[in-house]
This record gives sequence, structure tokens and C-alpha cells, in this order.
Amino acid sequence: DAKTTQPTSMDCAEGRAANLPCNHSTISGNEYVYWYRQIHSQGPQYIIHGLKNNETNEMASLIITEDRKSSTLILPHATLRDTAVYYCIVRVGPGRRALTFGSGTRLQVQP
Amino acid sequence: DTEVTQTPKHLVMGMTNKKSLKCEQHMGHRAMYWYKQKAKKPPELMFVYSYEKLSINESVPSRFSPECPNSSLLNLHLHALQPEDSALYLCASSQETSRGGNSYEQYFGPGTRLTVT
Repeated sequence: DAKTTQPTSMDCAEGRAANLPCNHSTISGNEYVYWYRQIHSQGPQYIIHGLKNNETNEMASLIITEDRKSSTLILPHATLRDTAVYYCIVRVGPGRRALTFGSGTRLQVQP
Repeated sequence: DTEVTQTPKHLVMGMTNKKSLKCEQHMGHRAMYWYKQKAKKPPELMFVYSYEKLSINESVPSRFSPECPNSSLLNLHLHALQPEDSALYLCASSQETSRGGNSYEQYFGPGTRLTVT
């Protein structure tokens, strides 16, 4: 799986959009970008994933650059409950089952 | 039902004790996982079960013994642990086969916080 680089921590004001970047410059053509988050003392929670196109679901949007070397997770209206560690993981979708977590970004949403 | 349950929530055990962690899911997932997470670190994979058979063991010491008695249950048997084994133990499950490569999200339980004294 390709290695990812994320900022160690970020702050965001409540109600504003939180934009979390991730670099994955060695990503291969068949590798997906996955985002999970872990709220303190809970298990990780799946957020979204994508291959090349931008994706949106009820939780977030994922923007992947055209060269696929970086991506941004967008939480459109951050709330205090979004305070968590966010992990960007690059992995082959089919056939590769386990997750390799990097250090992640600790997002603190401020009131 | 998209829930993975884990029991107990907390466990304190001595180095000579034998205990077991339990994990259960009813989503029909045929892949189940154990991860270990030390404080302020990301989760690390320990074991993967696929169709109730052990498919990955990430060089975990034999004092950790996994068991998958059926498609809904996953156990982790603990024996002669060391204080450095104190951690949050997370169970997860996922679909085993791909539906066009779009269904590999893993569902995690809340974890068992283990303290070895």
C-alpha cells in the first residue's frame, strides 16, 4: 500500500468547513483512498473512499487531484462531535483486506 | 444492524491469568480482524480471519491466541501477558468479496481496554 502523509493536527471553528489534506504521491493505479476517523476512546469509523472521481456522502466529501497524488477530505459544517483523529489510508480495494493506519490528523473543532 | 460488539469493555488481568476477549457481528461479514492500539498510536493489525480460517497473523506472540468459532464470533484468548501488552484491542469486520471494489469498509467495535498488572 502507498504511504500517506498528513498534518499532525488542525483546528477548525464550529460551523465552518474542515479541509483535511493527505499526500499519497506513490499511489498506484489500482489503489483507493480511504478515510476513517477515530473519536477518543472509540473504534475507528469509516467515512468515505474513492478511486479517481470526487465522492460525496452524508458525512463528507472527498476531492482527489487529477494526478491522484493528493486528496482532501471535507467536512462541510464541522461540529464539536467531529473532533477526532482522521486517518487517510491508501490501499488496493479488492483482495486486500487489512488496513494500515498512519499517524493521522488530530482535528480539534473549536466552539 | 451495522454494529460490532466487544466484551468486556475493560479488563484488568495479572500476568499469570488467562482471559478472553469476545467480538460479535451480525452483518453477515466473512472477514474479521483483531487490531491492537497503544496509547496515542494508530491501530496495528494483529490477525485476519477469512471464512472462519486464520489468513493473516502479523507475527503476534503466541500468548495471544485467536479463535473464530463461527461466522459471527471472534475471540482472542490471552495467557501470560506482559505489562507492555496493555492496550485497546479492537475487533472489526468487513465483507469478504468485492462488489466492484466498492465495499471494503471495515466496521469496528468500541474496543476492549486491557490493563496487564
